[in-house]
Amino acid sequence: NAGVTQTPKFQVLKTGQSMTLQCAQDMNHNSMYWYRQDPGMGLRLIYYSASEGTTDKGEVPNGYNVSRLNKREFSLRLESAAPSQTSVYFCASSVTGYSNQPQHFGDGTRLSIL
Amino acid sequence: RKEVEQDPGPFNVPEGATVAFNCTYSNSASQSFFWYRQDCRKEPKLLMSVYSSGNEDGRFTAQLNRASQYISLLIRDSKLSDSATYLCVVNPPSNYQLIWGAGTKLIIKP
Repeated sequence: NAGVTQTPKFQVLKTGQSMTLQCAQDMNHNSMYWYRQDPGMGLRLIYYSASEGTTDKGEVPNGYNVSRLNKREFSLRLESAAPSQTSVYFCASSVTGYSNQPQHFGDGTRLSIL
Repeated sequence: RKEVEQDPGPFNVPEGATVAFNCTYSNSASQSFFWYRQDCRKEPKLLMSVYSSGNEDGRFTAQLNRASQYISLLIRDSKLSDSATYLCVVNPPSNYQLIWGAGTKLIIKP
């Protein structure tokens, strides 16, 4: 009963390096999300995918790109990592993209940029 | 004014006590409201949705006050396992994005 699975769980990068965070859900959900969580702040939406084949910017998309590979998978890419991107990243999914649907989260990726 | 505001706490409460905290939101047209729970270094998990009529789930009661634009969470007979950060989440009506509060930290002491 995996739910939402994120990899890796921890990562340390140097400034300027690139990497891709992977997310997969096995709940047959249509919508998927990427958030970042910083101390003292609420979760902030980076990108979301309301359904397979669509992606949209959230509140803080700069410096990130996403790919909705199929219904199950939604990846987040940092092309040139910056220290300001040090954060905890959560992937989530919901049945539909309507906001009255609860979201289910993966257990996060802790990313440090040196 | 932040779109969703919560008292960060921490609220230090003895086991067995009742504790309540509020969350205010700025967009009066918001339609959907949730409380999530987040344990230290873990992912957020849905605690309960908040309905216009209020709702109860065991020891937890959620209320919505549209006139004053806040939602509340009441925890009765608090347990040590209730220690966590409680996140208030609001849906503004014009898009599919949720707005998250920064959370209220609750510590239940024996």
